[in-house]
Amino acid sequence: GDSVTQTEGPVTLSEGTSLTVNCSYETKQYPTLFWYVQYPGEGPQLLFKVPKANEKGSNRGFEATYNKEATSFHLQKASVQESDSAVYYCALAIYGGSGNKLIFGTGTLLSVKP
Amino acid sequence: EAAVTQSPRNKVAVTGGKVTLSCNQTNNHNNMYWYRQDTGHGLRLIHYSYGAGSTEKGDIPDGYKASRPSQENFSLILELATPSQTSVYFCASGGLGQDTQYFGPGTRLLVL
Repeated sequence: GDSVTQTEGPVTLSEGTSLTVNCSYETKQYPTLFWYVQYPGEGPQLLFKVPKANEKGSNRGFEATYNKEATSFHLQKASVQESDSAVYYCALAIYGGSGNKLIFGTGTLLSVKP
Repeated sequence: EAAVTQSPRNKVAVTGGKVTLSCNQTNNHNNMYWYRQDTGHGLRLIHYSYGAGSTEKGDIPDGYKASRPSQENFSLILELATPSQTSVYFCASGGLGQDTQYFGPGTRLLVL
Protein backbone atom coordinates (compact mmCIF):
# COMPACT_ATOMS: atom_id res chain seq x y z
CA GLY A 1 0.00 0.00 0.00
CA ASP A 2 0.90 3.68 0.03
CA SER A 3 3.27 4.74 2.81
CA VAL A 4 5.85 7.28 3.91
CA THR A 5 8.80 6.60 6.21
CA GLN A 6 10.98 9.36 7.62
CA THR A 7 13.88 9.87 10.05
CA GLU A 8 12.91 9.08 13.59
CA GLY A 9 13.42 12.02 15.88
CA PRO A 10 14.24 14.00 17.78
CA VAL A 11 17.23 15.64 16.12
CA THR A 12 19.31 18.21 18.00
CA LEU A 13 21.75 20.45 16.14
CA SER A 14 23.82 23.54 16.84
CA GLU A 15 23.18 26.72 14.87
CA GLY A 16 25.11 26.82 11.63
CA THR A 17 25.30 23.06 11.15
CA SER A 18 23.67 21.15 8.32
CA LEU A 19 20.43 19.19 8.42
CA THR A 20 19.24 16.10 6.57
CA VAL A 21 15.89 14.49 7.30
CA ASN A 22 15.41 11.26 5.41
CA CYS A 23 12.11 10.40 3.76
CA SER A 24 11.22 7.43 1.60
CA TYR A 25 7.88 6.55 0.08
CA GLU A 26 6.01 3.66 -1.46
CA THR A 27 3.15 3.98 -3.92
CA LYS A 28 1.97 2.57 -7.21
CA GLN A 29 0.73 5.99 -8.31
CA TYR A 30 2.83 8.79 -9.74
CA PRO A 31 3.59 10.67 -6.55
CA THR A 32 3.44 14.33 -5.62
CA LEU A 33 5.58 14.91 -2.54
CA PHE A 34 5.49 17.55 0.16
CA TRP A 35 7.36 18.79 3.17
CA TYR A 36 5.25 20.40 5.88
CA VAL A 37 6.56 22.21 8.97
CA GLN A 38 4.82 22.61 12.32
CA TYR A 39 5.99 25.27 14.75
CA PRO A 40 5.14 24.96 18.46
CA GLY A 41 1.49 25.66 19.19
CA GLU A 42 0.50 25.86 15.52
CA GLY A 43 -0.93 23.59 12.84
CA PRO A 44 1.25 22.15 10.09
CA GLN A 45 1.93 24.45 7.16
CA LEU A 46 3.26 23.76 3.71
CA LEU A 47 7.03 24.21 3.38
CA PHE A 48 7.10 23.24 -0.30
CA LYS A 49 5.93 20.58 -2.73
CA VAL A 50 7.54 18.87 -5.69
CA PRO A 51 5.18 17.41 -8.28
CA LYS A 52 7.74 15.94 -10.66
CA ALA A 53 10.50 13.37 -10.45
CA ASN A 54 14.09 14.64 -10.35
CA GLU A 55 12.95 18.18 -9.64
CA LYS A 56 13.91 20.19 -6.60
CA GLY A 57 11.65 22.06 -4.25
CA SER A 58 12.87 24.76 -1.91
CA ASN A 59 11.74 27.39 0.57
CA ARG A 60 13.36 29.30 3.47
CA GLY A 61 16.74 27.70 2.72
CA PHE A 62 15.32 24.16 2.85
CA GLU A 63 15.40 22.00 -0.24
CA ALA A 64 14.57 18.48 -1.35
CA THR A 65 14.97 16.62 -4.62
CA TYR A 66 12.49 13.94 -5.53
CA ASN A 67 14.47 10.87 -6.60
CA LYS A 68 12.11 8.52 -8.37
CA GLU A 69 14.61 5.68 -8.74
CA ALA A 70 15.45 5.65 -5.04
CA THR A 71 11.87 6.59 -4.00
CA SER A 72 13.40 9.18 -1.70
CA PHE A 73 12.72 12.84 -0.88
CA HIS A 74 15.22 13.94 1.74
CA LEU A 75 14.97 17.41 3.32
CA GLN A 76 18.22 19.36 3.57
CA LYS A 77 19.43 22.71 4.84
CA ALA A 78 23.03 23.83 4.78
CA SER A 79 22.98 25.99 7.90
CA VAL A 80 20.15 25.74 10.43
CA GLN A 81 19.02 28.55 12.71
CA GLU A 82 17.35 28.47 16.09
CA SER A 83 14.11 29.62 14.41
CA ASP A 84 14.06 26.38 12.39
CA SER A 85 13.19 24.42 15.53
CA ALA A 86 9.96 22.64 14.61
CA VAL A 87 8.48 19.30 13.57
CA TYR A 88 8.99 18.41 9.90
CA TYR A 89 6.62 16.07 8.05
CA CYS A 90 7.14 14.39 4.72
CA ALA A 91 3.85 13.72 2.90
CA LEU A 92 2.63 11.88 -0.18
CA ALA A 93 -0.50 12.85 -2.14
CA ILE A 94 -2.88 10.03 -3.07
CA TYR A 95 -5.43 10.72 -5.79
CA GLY A 96 -8.71 8.99 -6.34
CA GLY A 97 -12.45 9.33 -6.53
CA SER A 98 -13.67 12.87 -5.99
CA GLY A 99 -10.48 14.23 -4.55
CA ASN A 100 -7.22 13.51 -2.88
CA LYS A 101 -5.64 12.62 0.44
CA LEU A 102 -2.25 13.15 2.03
CA ILE A 103 -0.30 10.40 3.78
CA PHE A 104 2.09 11.84 6.35
CA GLY A 105 5.23 10.42 7.85
CA THR A 106 5.63 10.23 11.61
CA GLY A 107 7.35 13.62 11.82
CA THR A 108 10.86 14.61 12.87
CA LEU A 109 11.33 17.02 15.77
CA LEU A 110 14.25 19.37 15.16
CA SER A 111 15.75 21.36 18.02
CA VAL A 112 18.44 23.91 17.16
CA LYS A 113 20.66 25.15 19.98
CA PRO A 114 22.21 28.64 19.81
CA GLU B 1 -6.81 36.55 9.07
CA ALA B 2 -6.87 32.80 9.86
CA ALA B 3 -8.64 30.86 7.11
CA VAL B 4 -9.13 27.61 9.07
CA THR B 5 -10.33 27.93 12.64
CA GLN B 6 -11.14 25.26 15.20
CA SER B 7 -13.19 25.27 18.37
CA PRO B 8 -12.73 24.62 21.15
CA ARG B 9 -8.94 24.91 21.34
CA ASN B 10 -8.83 22.83 24.49
CA LYS B 11 -11.36 20.35 25.82
CA VAL B 12 -11.56 18.05 28.82
CA ALA B 13 -14.19 15.31 28.54
CA VAL B 14 -15.28 12.36 30.63
CA THR B 15 -15.22 8.76 29.46
CA GLY B 16 -18.52 7.88 27.82
CA GLY B 17 -19.43 11.48 27.14
CA LYS B 18 -20.16 13.04 23.75
CA VAL B 19 -17.63 15.43 22.26
CA THR B 20 -18.04 17.62 19.19
CA LEU B 21 -15.07 19.35 17.62
CA SER B 22 -15.84 22.10 15.12
CA CYS B 23 -13.94 23.45 12.14
CA ASN B 24 -14.69 26.47 9.96
CA GLN B 25 -12.87 27.53 6.81
CA THR B 26 -13.11 30.70 4.77
CA ASN B 27 -10.96 29.42 1.88
CA ASN B 28 -14.06 28.36 -0.08
CA HIS B 29 -12.45 24.93 -0.40
CA ASN B 30 -14.47 21.88 -1.35
CA ASN B 31 -12.35 19.39 0.61
CA MET B 32 -12.00 19.22 4.36
CA TYR B 33 -10.14 16.75 6.56
CA TRP B 34 -9.84 15.69 10.19
CA TYR B 35 -6.56 14.29 11.55
CA ARG B 36 -5.27 13.29 14.93
CA GLN B 37 -1.67 13.79 15.94
CA ASP B 38 0.10 11.43 18.31
CA THR B 39 3.77 10.99 19.11
CA GLY B 40 5.20 8.17 17.05
CA HIS B 41 2.28 8.19 14.62
CA GLY B 42 2.42 11.62 13.05
CA LEU B 43 -0.81 12.82 11.46
CA ARG B 44 -3.45 10.20 10.77
CA LEU B 45 -6.59 10.80 8.74
CA ILE B 46 -9.88 10.15 10.53
CA HIS B 47 -12.59 11.44 8.17
CA TYR B 48 -12.74 13.72 5.18
CA SER B 49 -15.30 15.40 2.97
CA TYR B 50 -15.43 16.48 -0.66
CA GLY B 51 -18.34 18.84 -0.21
CA ALA B 52 -21.38 19.76 1.82
CA GLY B 53 -23.41 16.71 2.79
CA SER B 54 -20.62 14.22 2.09
CA THR B 55 -18.27 12.42 4.45
CA GLU B 56 -15.76 9.65 3.82
CA LYS B 57 -13.89 7.36 6.18
CA GLY B 58 -10.18 7.91 6.50
CA ASP B 59 -7.56 5.53 7.81
CA ILE B 60 -8.68 5.43 11.48
CA PRO B 61 -12.46 6.17 11.56
CA ASP B 62 -13.49 3.81 14.38
CA GLY B 63 -15.09 5.67 17.28
CA TYR B 64 -15.57 8.87 15.26
CA LYS B 65 -18.32 10.35 13.12
CA ALA B 66 -18.18 13.42 10.91
CA SER B 67 -20.68 15.95 9.66
CA ARG B 68 -20.38 18.47 6.81
CA PRO B 69 -23.51 20.64 6.92
CA SER B 70 -22.10 23.39 4.71
CA GLN B 71 -19.10 24.29 2.56
CA GLU B 72 -17.54 26.16 5.49
CA ASN B 73 -18.13 23.79 8.40
CA PHE B 74 -16.93 20.28 9.22
CA SER B 75 -17.45 18.65 12.61
CA LEU B 76 -15.88 15.62 14.25
CA ILE B 77 -18.10 13.79 16.72
CA LEU B 78 -17.05 11.36 19.43
CA GLU B 79 -20.32 9.76 20.56
CA LEU B 80 -18.76 7.82 23.44
CA ALA B 81 -15.37 9.30 24.25
CA THR B 82 -12.62 7.01 25.53
CA PRO B 83 -9.20 7.82 27.06
CA SER B 84 -7.52 6.41 23.92
CA GLN B 85 -9.02 9.35 22.03
CA THR B 86 -6.92 11.79 24.05
CA SER B 87 -4.94 13.56 21.34
CA VAL B 88 -4.46 16.75 19.36
CA TYR B 89 -6.95 17.05 16.49
CA PHE B 90 -6.33 19.07 13.35
CA CYS B 91 -8.75 20.17 10.68
CA ALA B 92 -7.55 21.04 7.18
CA SER B 93 -9.06 22.27 3.93
CA GLY B 94 -8.03 21.85 0.31
CA GLY B 95 -9.29 23.10 -3.02
CA LEU B 96 -11.11 20.96 -5.58
CA GLY B 97 -8.52 19.08 -7.59
CA GLN B 98 -5.72 20.56 -5.47
CA ASP B 99 -3.40 18.49 -3.29
CA THR B 100 -2.09 21.13 -0.88
CA GLN B 101 -3.91 21.24 2.44
CA TYR B 102 -4.23 24.17 4.86
CA PHE B 103 -4.43 23.39 8.54
CA GLY B 104 -6.15 24.92 11.53
CA PRO B 105 -4.41 25.53 14.88
CA GLY B 106 -5.58 22.28 16.46
CA THR B 107 -7.76 21.19 19.38
CA ARG B 108 -6.19 19.51 22.36
CA LEU B 109 -8.61 16.89 23.78
CA LEU B 110 -8.15 15.13 27.11
CA VAL B 111 -10.55 12.31 27.94
CA LEU B 112 -10.51 11.35 31.62
